[in-house]
Amino acid sequence: DQQVKQNSPSLSVQEGRISILNCDYTNSMFDYFLWYKKYPAEGPTFLISISSIKDKNEDGRFTVFLNKSAKHLSLHIVPSQPGDSAVYFCAARQTGANNLFFGTGTRLTVIP
Amino acid sequence: KAGVTQTPRYLIKTRGQQVTLSCSPISGHRSVSWYQQTPGQGLQFLFEYFSETQRNKGNFPGRFSGRQFSNSRSEMNVSTLELGDSALYLCASKVPGQGDNEQFFGPGTRLTVL
Repeated sequence: DQQVKQNSPSLSVQEGRISILNCDYTNSMFDYFLWYKKYPAEGPTFLISISSIKDKNEDGRFTVFLNKSAKHLSLHIVPSQPGDSAVYFCAARQTGANNLFFGTGTRLTVIP
Repeated sequence: KAGVTQTPRYLIKTRGQQVTLSCSPISGHRSVSWYQQTPGQGLQFLFEYFSETQRNKGNFPGRFSGRQFSNSRSEMNVSTLELGDSALYLCASKVPGQGDNEQFFGPGTRLTVL
């Protein structure tokens, strides 16, 4: 039972354009969401997060949007750079719980 | 500061065997979590250890077990290996009480079961 879903396994974007990665969740108790980035042969690294009390959080080129009514969040990367090519995982947590629920990942390729 | 280290990085086993994976957390990090990554399921939480005690456990069969030592190093064991256990096993460490943005992952152990 996949509580966090990333329905696009891959995405290709031209350098300089916007990359939009999507994530859906089913558990309405989730109240904290994160994005991780993973390069081959490395562990995931934290990228950006958002609490359910917000609908947007921005950090440099990265912005995460949360639509609680639709149980949907998205990560926008503007402008996209070749170094952004990686697998991006969406994750969610419920306050008080110790474990994160991850999506299956989206492989982003930024074409120079 | 050294990162999270996992050994071995690659492992090949046959069905029915058992395997032990090791994780050394970042110095000062006493919480260690383990995850299984497969193409179809993404990262799935296995368990978390803190102060040598299992604090939380994911939905995996009893063949998957773990432990933590007094120096915070952790091991996970999989007995009676099945083909479906082939995956990347990741561990992550953090200071208990810190946020997930302070959780750091190791590079993983790639287990192949033949």
